Amino acid sequence: DQQVKQNSPSLSVQEGRISILNCDYTNSMFDYFLWYKKYPAEGPTFLISISSIKDKNEDGRFTVFLNKSAKHLSLHIVPSQPGDSAVYFCAASAFTGANSKLTFGKGITLSVRP
Amino acid sequence: DTEVTQTPKHLVMGMTNKKSLKCEQHMGHRAMYWYKQKAKKPPELMFVYSYEKLSINESVPSRFSPECPNSSLLNLHLHALQPEDSALYLCASSLDRVTYEQYFGPGTRLTVT
Repeated sequence: DQQVKQNSPSLSVQEGRISILNCDYTNSMFDYFLWYKKYPAEGPTFLISISSIKDKNEDGRFTVFLNKSAKHLSLHIVPSQPGDSAVYFCAASAFTGANSKLTFGKGITLSVRP
Repeated sequence: DTEVTQTPKHLVMGMTNKKSLKCEQHMGHRAMYWYKQKAKKPPELMFVYSYEKLSINESVPSRFSPECPNSSLLNLHLHALQPEDSALYLCASSLDRVTYEQYFGPGTRLTVT
């Protein structure tokens, strides 16, 4: 049972335009969401996160939007740059104290065309 | 400094070998994690340590044996692995178990022959 879904396996965007990466979840207990970026042969790099008490969080070119009623979040990258080309993982967690853990989606491969 | 280091970067081992993977962080984080990642798949949690004590074991086979000698170091001892254990093994750390943001190392690419 996949609790975090990234239904589009890939996305191609022109440099300078906006990239929108989507993520859906099924577990209503999730209260914290994170995005990670991963280059080949490297570990995931933490990008940005959002708590369920917010609906938007912004950090430079990256903005994450959360729609709790739709159980949907999205990562906006603007403007997109060729260096943003990577696999992006959405992750979610429910606070269960010492047993908290991240549940990852399958990832989206973003390609930014020069 | 948000760096987690892992050694070795690559490891090839036979099914009868014993080897160890090492992970180190100097961020003062008290929670450390081992993940396994296969190609085109998300990371899968294996073990969690909190304050040097094993907190979570996700029903991992006993041929994988974790060890946390101190708050900065995490080892994964490997013995009698199978070819299907070939994967990227990732270490991560977080400030503590109630802090969600985890910082990952670059991983060890393991091939079992």
